[in-house]
Amino acid sequence: KAGVTQTPRYLIKTRGQQVTLSCSPISGHRSVSWYQQTPGQGLQFLFEYFSETQRNKGNFPGRFSGRQFSNSRSEMNVSTLELGDSALYLCASSFSGSDYGYTFGSGTRLTVV
Amino acid sequence: SQQGEEDPQALSIQEGENATMNCSYKTSINNLQWYRQNSGRGLVHLILIRSNEREKHSGRLRVTLDTSKKSSSLLITASRAADTASYFCATDAPLHGGSARQLTFGSGTQLTVLP
Repeated sequence: KAGVTQTPRYLIKTRGQQVTLSCSPISGHRSVSWYQQTPGQGLQFLFEYFSETQRNKGNFPGRFSGRQFSNSRSEMNVSTLELGDSALYLCASSFSGSDYGYTFGSGTRLTVV
Repeated sequence: SQQGEEDPQALSIQEGENATMNCSYKTSINNLQWYRQNSGRGLVHLILIRSNEREKHSGRLRVTLDTSKKSSSLLITASRAADTASYFCATDAPLHGGSARQLTFGSGTQLTVLP
C-alpha cells in the first residue's frame, strides 16, 4: 500500500513569506501528526489532527497552523517565516493515534533565507 | 522539550557485533516506541512496547522496558552495515486526560556499523 506522501520534498523561502506543506496519510488512517526536526532542538511535536479536529498542539507560536480535510489529508502553514523555521518537517499517520505506532513520510526540507 | 535521553549519543561497531542503545524518560507512559532514521529521511517505526510489557522481540531487535526505572533499551543483534542510522526512542504519554496523544522523542543515538 502507498505510504505517507509529503509534498514538496524541498522548499526555499524568503524571510517574511508564508509556506504551506501537504501530507497525504495512508489510506484509512485518520490521525495525522506533524513534527519539526532541527539539529539543535531535535524532533518536536507540532500538532495532531483526528477526523478533521485538532486534538493536540505543541509549544509553537501561532504562526504555525494546520488543518485536516475530510479525506484525512492534512496541511500545515507557517506564516511570516523566520530563519529559525528552517527544518525538516515530518508528517506521520496512524489509524487512531499513538497506540500502534506511526508511519512517517519522507519529510519536507524547508530552508528560509 | 525532550522526554527521553538516549545513551550513547554515538556508537560505532563492527559488522556482526551487537548494538545496545538506552533510553531514559521522565513521566508515566502508555507505551514506548523505537524509530530509525536514515540520514535526512523520514522515521521508520521499529517496535512498540506497552507499559505493561517488559520485553519484546522483532527479528534481530529486542526491546526491554523498566517502568520502575523509567528506562528502555534496544538491542540489535548481528548488526549489518545497512543498520547504520540514527535511532530514536519516543514515549507516548497521557495528556490532560481524554484522547489527546503525542509522541515525545529522545535526542537519538547515531549508530555506525563498519563493514
